[in-house]
Amino acid sequence: EVQLVDSGGGLVQPGGSLRLSCAASGFTFSSYEMNWVRQAPGKGLEWVSYISSGGRSIYYADSVKGRFTISRDNAKNSLYLQMNSLRAEDTAVYYCARYPWGLRAFDIWGQGTMVTVSS
Amino acid sequence: QSALTQPASVSGSPGQSITISCTGTSSDVGGYNYVSWYQQHPGKAPKLMIHDVTNRPSGVSNRFSGSKSGNTASLTISGLQAEDEADYYCSSFTGSSTSVFGTGTKVTVL
Repeated sequence: EVQLVDSGGGLVQPGGSLRLSCAASGFTFSSYEMNWVRQAPGKGLEWVSYISSGGRSIYYADSVKGRFTISRDNAKNSLYLQMNSLRAEDTAVYYCARYPWGLRAFDIWGQGTMVTVSS
Repeated sequence: QSALTQPASVSGSPGQSITISCTGTSSDVGGYNYVSWYQQHPGKAPKLMIHDVTNRPSGVSNRFSGSKSGNTASLTISGLQAEDEADYYCSSFTGSSTSVFGTGTKVTVL
């Protein structure tokens, strides 16, 4: 079964750091581009970051640029999001999502992991 | 990148057809044939319903269809069913492998 499992969320104080993980299974992870998408409580979806299949091409939304770092370990079939200098407005459910080349759409999603930034 | 504009809510009776619009600019919706639509039930992850403006992934009902004209894309749900009640989001490629989502539309089945 093709599956993405998000983990690593939790409660963190403003200015703190957190590392999210996304474990992939059921497909050749190293062949797929990946993204992080977030959703604040009661709000819409917001694209956060993209990484190419080999990890050489990376993009970020302006709202997280300079604070978040996306990475991947193809040997471990895993995607990561290192989040530093966290703010209250970063509070959201974070989803990893598969982004097949040529499809330009998010075809498989993780179940999401909740990040709460609060003192 | 500003969010694409969707109506906040759309409603219809069972069996009816409804259409959700998604308005962007020539830098996103109007510039690429890479518009996708997602269905999200409360507490669940989004599900891909339409990609490349008009294409349905395997397993998605043919009651869902997509189209685009200029800077506006649309999702039509025909033969509305109770299970279609959910939030719907459009998304567009914006170049350089970046994306933007719509503001979201709550569909209510009366």
